[in-house]
Amino acid sequence: EAGVAQSPRYKIIEKRQSVAFWCNPISGHATLYWYQQILGQGPKLLIQFQNNGVVDDSQLPKDRFSAERLKGVDSTLKIQPAKLEDSAVYLCASSRGGVNGYTFGSGTRLTVV
Amino acid sequence: QKEVEQDPGPLSVPEGAIVSLNCTYSNSAFQYFMWYRQYSRKGPELLMYTYSSGNKEDGRFTAQVDKSSKYISLFIRDSQPSDSATYLCAMRGTGGGNKLTFGTGTQLKVEL
Repeated sequence: EAGVAQSPRYKIIEKRQSVAFWCNPISGHATLYWYQQILGQGPKLLIQFQNNGVVDDSQLPKDRFSAERLKGVDSTLKIQPAKLEDSAVYLCASSRGGVNGYTFGSGTRLTVV
Repeated sequence: QKEVEQDPGPLSVPEGAIVSLNCTYSNSAFQYFMWYRQYSRKGPELLMYTYSSGNKEDGRFTAQVDKSSKYISLFIRDSQPSDSATYLCAMRGTGGGNKLTFGTGTQLKVEL
């Protein structure tokens, strides 16, 4: 079973620029999550999709962050404009459902300078 | 107060030692408790999960949950250098769309 694919692996941008991250979940996984992991902290949920509908985006800073999941498969997360405090690893995860936790990708490390 | 508290370490132990990692939490609604291992520059991978209180063993790893004290533990026996990683506890309730609340992670180094 292929894992969760994310790209790019690394990105450095200047503040006020925009950036987009891409995620391809495990085939057949209906639920997709985007987490933000700031250095020295645990992952924090930004948004959860069930197929192509949003289940939870309560912690997504909607003035600058947006996400979509077209056709219930791939997803993109965008930041526009970026701030210094957005420097973090952005993790995508997917699950079939149930309580077994979920599978994470390796993440995209964003540095905003 | 954070919902989940975890000592960030770092924790350094000699090879073969027994390692104890712990988390405390404040939300009584949490029912599922998980431990993830995260190697440097990788995503977290699920090690074990436990429902409600009790113990669960898997090879060298044992997870314990004490809901009365709101305290969970992960024990690693016969620790190996390959166990060197950050260990994250995570938990969730029975509803809420499977959202996980993570601790900050404990950095573990097992030395030869």
